[in-house]
Amino acid sequence: AQKVTQAQTEISVVEKEDVTLDCVYETRDTTYYLFWYKQPPSGELVFLIRRNSFDEQNEISGRYSWNFQKSTSSFNFTITASQVVDSAVYFCALSEARDAGNMLTFGGGTRLMVKP
Amino acid sequence: ETGVTQSPTHLIKTRGQQVTLRCSSQSGHNTVSWYQQALGQGPQFIFQYYREEENGRGNFPPRFSGLQFPNYSSELNVNALELDDSALYLCASSLTIAGGLGETQYFGPGTRLLVL
Repeated sequence: AQKVTQAQTEISVVEKEDVTLDCVYETRDTTYYLFWYKQPPSGELVFLIRRNSFDEQNEISGRYSWNFQKSTSSFNFTITASQVVDSAVYFCALSEARDAGNMLTFGGGTRLMVKP
Repeated sequence: ETGVTQSPTHLIKTRGQQVTLRCSSQSGHNTVSWYQQALGQGPQFIFQYYREEENGRGNFPPRFSGLQFPNYSSELNVNALELDDSALYLCASSLTIAGGLGETQYFGPGTRLLVL
């Protein structure tokens, strides 16, 4: 079973639209960590946020916000007033306490295209 | 930029050959993880090195091996290259604190390997 599911493979929006990227995860651990990374065409994964399983507070950072809901095992990411520079592939990832080496398990990614 | 560097940026090899990829971790970090990212997919965990020892391994065969040096830099070696080894290889560094979990991993720009 896939541990991290990003059901939206590709999303296209027009600049200034709001967009939400979905992430659903699966774990039996009570202690785990969730991450979002951005991968622009250059290929480097850029860290966006880390959230532990005991902190369900939503977080806002500028135009970015994250909604963590343990009841639905979801950690969704919203970009408000999208810009062309937001175009990239976005990955959600899970790190479980049981995994050796704090490995990250990534979802398949969502490609976001923001058109001017 | 994260301060994580990788070399080379691109590499072309033929099937059956061996390859060594290199990674320098971010200043202050003591742990290096390696990931393989096939085209259109999320990164897959290969292994992690902490204190110069393998600290966790994903589902990769033994022909994938690594090293970590006293300065925390690392190498990924792949023997007997196969066509399916063509991918982007990403290195990530992090700071492991005893008993810590889910530390944020910061990624380098990657090495694109093409096996012909």
